[in-house]
Amino acid sequence: DIVMTQSPDSLAVSLGERATINCKSSQSVLYSSNNKNYLGWYHQKPGQPPKLLIYWASTRESGVPDRFSGSGSGTNFTLTISSLQAEDVAVYSCQQYFSTPHTFGQGTKLEIK
Amino acid sequence: EVQLVESGGGLVKPGGSLRLSCAASGFTFTNAWMNWVRQAPGKGLEWVGRIKSNTDGGTTDYAAPVKGRFAISRDDAKNTLYLQMSSLKTEDTAVYYCSRGGMVYDYWGQGTLVTVSS
Repeated sequence: DIVMTQSPDSLAVSLGERATINCKSSQSVLYSSNNKNYLGWYHQKPGQPPKLLIYWASTRESGVPDRFSGSGSGTNFTLTISSLQAEDVAVYSCQQYFSTPHTFGQGTKLEIK
Repeated sequence: EVQLVESGGGLVKPGGSLRLSCAASGFTFTNAWMNWVRQAPGKGLEWVGRIKSNTDGGTTDYAAPVKGRFAISRDDAKNTLYLQMSSLKTEDTAVYYCSRGGMVYDYWGQGTLVTVSS
């Protein structure tokens, strides 16, 4: 199974500042035949289900604000929120869909400083 | 509007069984690959398993902790996904979500709580 490890476990950022969350996979999730990274990002607010933010490591889901961006390739990935808003408080999780089981990272709790 | 509504959760004793349902609407369920993901209290997301569309073979895949105890099925005529859980353990206590997608999961239900306790 591919193990997904996120860092940090929690993060406190001031409103308007940049937030960066990292995700590392135990093996590459880059599929060479199409040069796509099989990596997605979700956030989950308390009492709600997860919401898809990013897929293919860097493609924003429809309706997701452009302050959210994803980057990275192979085994190392980053989710960046360029200017933190109050409504961005949530737990952020990465997920690989390169192979089953489609494993998730342990989650990163993002709070306002 | 896409909707996924889970039901069937509750309190069950260790060793017991439970069947969860997920009613889908707002999209062509027949063509969708569907998944179950769970979240234990205060923990992260854990993939449980998936079922492909019948046009893609209708086969299932499971996470190791549930393989042989859980079974995913679908009734395309009723637009409903199922999770049959048996030989339940205390560590199966979680909110169970159904979700749509063969790769990323773009729609999720609100979840149903399963508590396994004596």
